[in-house]
Amino acid sequence: GNSVTQMEGPVTLSEEAFLTINCTYTATGYPSLFWYVQYPGEGLQLLLKATKADDKGSNKGFEATYRKETTSFHLEKGSVQVSDSAVYFCALTQFGNEKLTFGTGTRLTIIP
Amino acid sequence: DAGVTQSPTHLIKTRGQQVTLRCSPKSGHDTVSWYQQALGQGPQFIFQYYEEEERQRGNFPDRFSGHQFPNYSSELNVNALLLGDSALYLCASSFVAESAPLHFGNGTRLTVT
Repeated sequence: GNSVTQMEGPVTLSEEAFLTINCTYTATGYPSLFWYVQYPGEGLQLLLKATKADDKGSNKGFEATYRKETTSFHLEKGSVQVSDSAVYFCALTQFGNEKLTFGTGTRLTIIP
Repeated sequence: DAGVTQSPTHLIKTRGQQVTLRCSPKSGHDTVSWYQQALGQGPQFIFQYYEEEERQRGNFPDRFSGHQFPNYSSELNVNALLLGDSALYLCASSFVAESAPLHFGNGTRLTVT
């Protein structure tokens, strides 16, 4: 079946540091890939997505590239801010199946 | 434009009781999905409703049931509550043509004692 493996947290960085959160997946065919963010006390917000190989999703300074050869979708940001502190989830769906399969999440804390 | 709204925000129930959670989808959306998020875990898919029918179901027991109304709102019912049902329950809505639910509510925090 489908699965998503995320870099274990928690991750703590200083403000303006470079961020990478690793995500790899197992799926048949060509899944669509997503990053969701969950701020304290809130539900999930879609951060970015990519629907085919080599697509790059980007939003709010975050970006991730769909790499089929390495089955990866790593999240990156060049300069993090305190407001980026949250839990980040990598997820996938398969074509014709809207069910999202999530990773376990990575808690990110940015210190001033 | 209101997004996905869920009620109540918090709920405390006793083991063996029954609970109903409610969700109103984002305006224009016709599909509602429910997810269970245990503490420190990623959300797990429970089921999805479209045109008032259960369209897809995850690996959850029959104690979990749902309903979708003609106005696209939805309910999640859980019978015979277990301590392990304590979790954040998330509702997500989408339009049928979308590839995945893009809009989540803030969830209902259920505590079973």
